[in-house]
Amino acid sequence: EIVLTQSPGTLSLSPGERATLSCRASQSVSRTYLAWYQQKPGQGPRLLIYGASTRATGIPDRFSGSGSGTDFTLTISGLEPEDFALYYCQQYHRPPPTITFGQGTRLEMK
Amino acid sequence: QVQLEEVGGGVVQPGGSLRLSCSASGFIFSAYGMHWIRRAPGKGLECVAFIWFDGSDKYYAESVKGRFTISRDNSKHTLYLQMNSLRPEDTAVYYCAKWDGDLAAFDIWGQGTMVTVSS
Repeated sequence: EIVLTQSPGTLSLSPGERATLSCRASQSVSRTYLAWYQQKPGQGPRLLIYGASTRATGIPDRFSGSGSGTDFTLTISGLEPEDFALYYCQQYHRPPPTITFGQGTRLEMK
Repeated sequence: QVQLEEVGGGVVQPGGSLRLSCSASGFIFSAYGMHWIRRAPGKGLECVAFIWFDGSDKYYAESVKGRFTISRDNSKHTLYLQMNSLRPEDTAVYYCAKWDGDLAAFDIWGQGTMVTVSS
């Protein structure tokens, strides 16, 4: 099973700053099969990025994804107050079809 | 409006059972595979069960295999999770989510329903 390790566990930043979140895989992951999600308290996760770098419908362009192989990054340029939340990366691999998530990075307001 | 809504969570004793339901609207439910995903307190997200768009194939996490059963009724646009022999470690918020194979991602999630297994 591919294990995804996210870092840092918690990131403390101020509005307007840039956030860089890392997701490292235990073995190579196809860019096609790497996604990022945002989750706020009391809500289900929201898809931000799929295919490592494609923004989902309605996602602002301050969110960007990059990376390949075992190292992927979610960057949020110019943090807005509503961006402070929990972020997960996710990979898909087959056969057999397996989906795993990283343990999450909490982005908190400084 | 595209949405998923879970119901059926609650407090149950170890060894007990619960049945979760997830109602879908705003998309062609019968065309997509569906998952149940959980988030235990202080932990990350875990896929627990997946069902093919037509119910023809199902997959389970090892942690729930033999205890949980996923099913769907496409005529009612509803996904189910029958949970038997519940354990304290099954305590979590359970989400249903739509899998988009073209995106290789979950593009629609419910708000979740809390399951607490405690004596």
